[in-house]
Amino acid sequence: QVQLVQSGAEVKKPGASVKVSCKASGYTFTTYGVSWVRQAPGQGLEWMGWVNTYDGNTDYALRFEGRVIMTADIPTTTAYMELRSLRSDDTAIYYCARTYGSGDDYYYGMDVWGRGTTVTVSS
Amino acid sequence: EIVLTQSPGTLSLSPGERATLSCRASQTVTSSYLAWYLQKPGQAPRLLIYDASTRATGIPDRFSGSGSGTDFTLTISRLDPEDFAVYYCQQYGSSPITFGQGTRLEIK
Repeated sequence: QVQLVQSGAEVKKPGASVKVSCKASGYTFTTYGVSWVRQAPGQGLEWMGWVNTYDGNTDYALRFEGRVIMTADIPTTTAYMELRSLRSDDTAIYYCARTYGSGDDYYYGMDVWGRGTTVTVSS
Repeated sequence: EIVLTQSPGTLSLSPGERATLSCRASQTVTSSYLAWYLQKPGQAPRLLIYDASTRATGIPDRFSGSGSGTDFTLTISRLDPEDFAVYYCQQYGSSPITFGQGTRLEIK
């Protein structure tokens, strides 16, 4: 079946980096891009950006520009999100979600989600 | 950036009742590219509606979406106990993709 399986929980110190993976299966990986969405404890959903799994183009939310890198590896059908210079307010659950689009335009919403990866930033 | 404002913040209803949730955008949502999601505690969001009014695969027909421009509505015709959760609207018509702050639907 169509699914996205994310890597396990991480605990990081302020200033460090974290890299979360999202392995896709059950569909043609390069047909859909992958969005990353985070949710701080008790808070709402925040879109971080999107990666085109076919050509690697990205579309980042402005507030994460320069601090986030999203990539996709076609042979392993895995998308990655690396966040650098972690702060305590980066503590959140990070979700990947299948998103059809081009980077300028998106369609159909986010129809498949991973279960989330908890990232805790603490000294 | 398009700001989405959901109302009410919390909605208290009983099973079998009708629920109406609102999502207002700060500017026109391109092509009515608006989606609704449900999130239960400890779970990832689940897509309910996309393109303002199209039900996602497997979503029961008691869920319906409507609206265009800046005003959108999610209606649940007869609440089932499993429907009590948090609902988010999202616009994907222009980057950055943005979400509303959520409406909590609780059992009265």
